[in-house]
Amino acid sequence: AQKITQTQPGMFVQEKEAVTLDCTYDTSDPSYGLFWYKQPSSGEMIFLIYQGSYDQQNATEGRYSLNFQKARKSANLVISASQLGDSAMYFCAMRPIYNQGGKLIFGQGTELSVKP
Amino acid sequence: DTEVTQTPKHLVMGMTNKKSLKCEQHMGHRAMYWYKQKAKKPPELMFVYSYEKLSINESVPSRFSPECPNSSLLNLHLHALQPEDSALYLCASSQERRGRGTGELFFGEGSRLTVL
Repeated sequence: AQKITQTQPGMFVQEKEAVTLDCTYDTSDPSYGLFWYKQPSSGEMIFLIYQGSYDQQNATEGRYSLNFQKARKSANLVISASQLGDSAMYFCAMRPIYNQGGKLIFGQGTELSVKP
Repeated sequence: DTEVTQTPKHLVMGMTNKKSLKCEQHMGHRAMYWYKQKAKKPPELMFVYSYEKLSINESVPSRFSPECPNSSLLNLHLHALQPEDSALYLCASSQERRGRGTGELFFGEGSRLTVL
């Protein structure tokens, strides 16, 4: 069974500072992908970053980086130089890689508020 | 702009009405998904279609009836819904090529459903 845990219901960060959003996971699949999505109040789920379980390097996408620690089963999202537009819900998610139509399951989410 | 288009964006219906939610993508993706999301909660998977065939049904009540007329379209037919079915309904699509790509889901902006 798969499980994603996000232990921070809400986070505050000052504009221009960095923030880390925590995510731990559990799975029996040998190959899996980890994802972070951003959901503003408008509702759309926006894909931010991906980490494959066999990737040797941590993923980076612009101001987003993923701190992947496979032994600890954690995949924390780091947002550098926070902007007011980063205020949103952030979801960590996981799905098996070699499984057509495999389920993407989500953690409970973290609501990030960026203060000016 | 999202490449997954959902209509309508807002829908209000009575418990005896029959309505449909529509989803369209032109990215050549062969997997399409319906998720239900309550406020401040993570999306919950309802249905997965892979190559126009229903591959996952997460024990969703029969008052929700999915349909995939072709590889670009996904419908969700609604009948005799309950007030607790009020939620944001998200459609998503993904490439399904084993071992290739990240397999991230691309989401639409959702349809906000209110059942009176």
